[in-house]
Amino acid sequence: NAGVIQTPRHKVTGKGQEATLWCEPISGHSAVFWYRQTIVQGLEFLTYFRNQAPIDDSGMPKERFSAQMPNQSHSTLKIQSTQPQDSAVYLCASSLHSQNTLYFGAGTRLSVL
Amino acid sequence: AQSVDQPDAHVTLSEGASLELRCSYSYSAAPYLFWYVQYPGQSLQFLLKYITGDTVVKGTKGFEAEFRKSNSSFNLKKSPAHWSDSAKYFCALEDTEGADRLTFGKGTQLIIQP
Repeated sequence: NAGVIQTPRHKVTGKGQEATLWCEPISGHSAVFWYRQTIVQGLEFLTYFRNQAPIDDSGMPKERFSAQMPNQSHSTLKIQSTQPQDSAVYLCASSLHSQNTLYFGAGTRLSVL
Repeated sequence: AQSVDQPDAHVTLSEGASLELRCSYSYSAAPYLFWYVQYPGQSLQFLLKYITGDTVVKGTKGFEAEFRKSNSSFNLKKSPAHWSDSAKYFCALEDTEGADRLTFGKGTQLIIQP
């Protein structure tokens, strides 16, 4: 079991460019979560899928952020027209079901110059 | 809306001392509560959780936490502390009314001096 896999580990983009972050959850886990971690804001919930269906995207900045889970083995977080304030560590986590432990990936550190 | 407060941004202790990291929450229903730890350069790892039942829950690495409904707290404890416990600790609350997502506190940076 390789755990939750996130790629790339680091991504540098110029202001206005697009960034796509990838997450492979643990096999058999039905829930996938995306969080963003910054020094100032801490851990912020972005969005959540259960059995590939989007359940809650209340934390997503609506205009430029989107997330998909086209199959049970991966999810993507896309940020269009990246801005310096998008710089953060983006964490993906999966769990068997609610009330259960979240297993976090190592994260993708996004730097927008 | 639910919230989690970790009032101590930093805690410094000597090795061998007892540690207690504070966590309080605000939530209208019965909460599910969690503690996670983040070692330097690593991602978050699960320590323990309270769902229901016994109010003292034991987790990994010798940690335990006590759920106190009377003052809405879920403090993390360990004795004695070891220098390897130095890390950032996050308390989290899961919405029990359908949302499933975790709301995290800002975290407490723990430094154990050898």
